[in-house]
Amino acid sequence: DQQVKQNSPSLSVQEGRISILNCDYTNSMFDYFLWYKKYPAEGPTFLISISSIKDKNEDGRFTVFLNKSAKHLSLHIVPSQPGDSAVYFCAALRNSGNTPLVFGKGTRLSVIA
Amino acid sequence: NAGVTQTPKFRVLKTGQSMTLLCAQDMNHEYMYWYRQDPGMGLRLIHYSVGEGTTAKGEVPDGYNVSRLKKQNFLLGLESAAPSQTSVYFCASSYSRGGRNFGPGTRLTVT
Repeated sequence: DQQVKQNSPSLSVQEGRISILNCDYTNSMFDYFLWYKKYPAEGPTFLISISSIKDKNEDGRFTVFLNKSAKHLSLHIVPSQPGDSAVYFCAALRNSGNTPLVFGKGTRLSVIA
Repeated sequence: NAGVTQTPKFRVLKTGQSMTLLCAQDMNHEYMYWYRQDPGMGLRLIHYSVGEGTTAKGEVPDGYNVSRLKKQNFLLGLESAAPSQTSVYFCASSYSRGGRNFGPGTRLTVT
């Protein structure tokens, strides 16, 4: 059973517009969430994270929103740039116990110039 | 500061052959992980380690073994390779259970 779901396998956005990538989770014990970005033939790189005690975290063009009641988070990229074209993975963590990070299947973002 | 490195970058094996993938990190991280990435499947955890001398099973451990004899190294072994193990393998490390530093990946093909 998938605990972290990214229901959109792909997304296309025009350069300069907003990209919104969505992620849903089923385990209410998750309390820390991360987004990773992956270019072809490279390892994933950490992008931004959010703790469950917050509902928003911003870092430059990237903002992550968390809606705990809906078990939903989203990554906003504004403005989108061609260099943002990559696969984005959502991941979740339980901060109690020794359970590792759980990843979603990823969303491929294409930013069209 | 090289971060996380993986050896080799590419490998082709015949069914039944064995090999070891090496991961090294120079950040003094306690936690290390091995993931595999397959099309449409995201990143799946194979095994992980929370410190030198420790290992634990992840989501898809069957057919793999690991060892963490030194803090900076985490080895992934395939004793008898199968075509189902054709994948891209990523090693990662972290100082806590949160964010990961990933290596560049090893592309393995088993024929």
